[in-house]
Amino acid sequence: NAGVTQTPKFQVLKTGQSMTLQCAQDMNHEYMSWYRQDPGMGLRLIHYSVGAGITDQGEVPNGYNVSRSTTEDFPLRLLSAAPSQTSVYFCASSYARSGNTIYFGEGSWLTVV
Amino acid sequence: QKEVEQDPGPLSVPEGAIVSLNCTYSNSAFQYFMWYRQYSRKGPELLMYTYSSGNKEDGRFTAQVDKSSKYISLFIRDSQPSDSATYLCAMDDMRFGAGTRLTVKP
Repeated sequence: NAGVTQTPKFQVLKTGQSMTLQCAQDMNHEYMSWYRQDPGMGLRLIHYSVGAGITDQGEVPNGYNVSRSTTEDFPLRLLSAAPSQTSVYFCASSYARSGNTIYFGEGSWLTVV
Repeated sequence: QKEVEQDPGPLSVPEGAIVSLNCTYSNSAFQYFMWYRQYSRKGPELLMYTYSSGNKEDGRFTAQVDKSSKYISLFIRDSQPSDSATYLCAMDDMRFGAGTRLTVKP
């Protein structure tokens, strides 16, 4: 019973490099989202998707792209990494956006130097 | 003003103490209120879920919602070292508080 799986767990990038954080869920959830977590800031929503082919911006979308080609997968792309994107990233899924339990992945620790 | 305010702490208590964690919110339309627990280097996990106002109890944990004051609380009775974690409140549109880091000392 995998739940929400994120890869990689740890990554170090140089400024200007691009990369993709992978996220997959096996619970057939329609709603998926990406958060970043920084000290004292809590979880901030980057992008979310309410179903395959539909994505929208959250609170802090700049510098990130997403796509949702299948129900299971929701990758997050950093286009040109900046030190300000050093953070812990969590992928999450739930049956719907409102009023449902959110299931989180284990997190991806990203450092941009 | 942020829509969800939570004191980030840190909060340190002795084993057996009663812990009170709180959040305030600004959107009176919120109906669902959740508490998540996050252990170090792990993803958050749902701890308590409350719909509308009132109290909900689950073992040593009690979640309380006061919609008139836009204030929610999580109480932990007989706190244990295993309760040491960050506790995040969340509202029904997936907005989270900053999280309060709790340490329970043996």
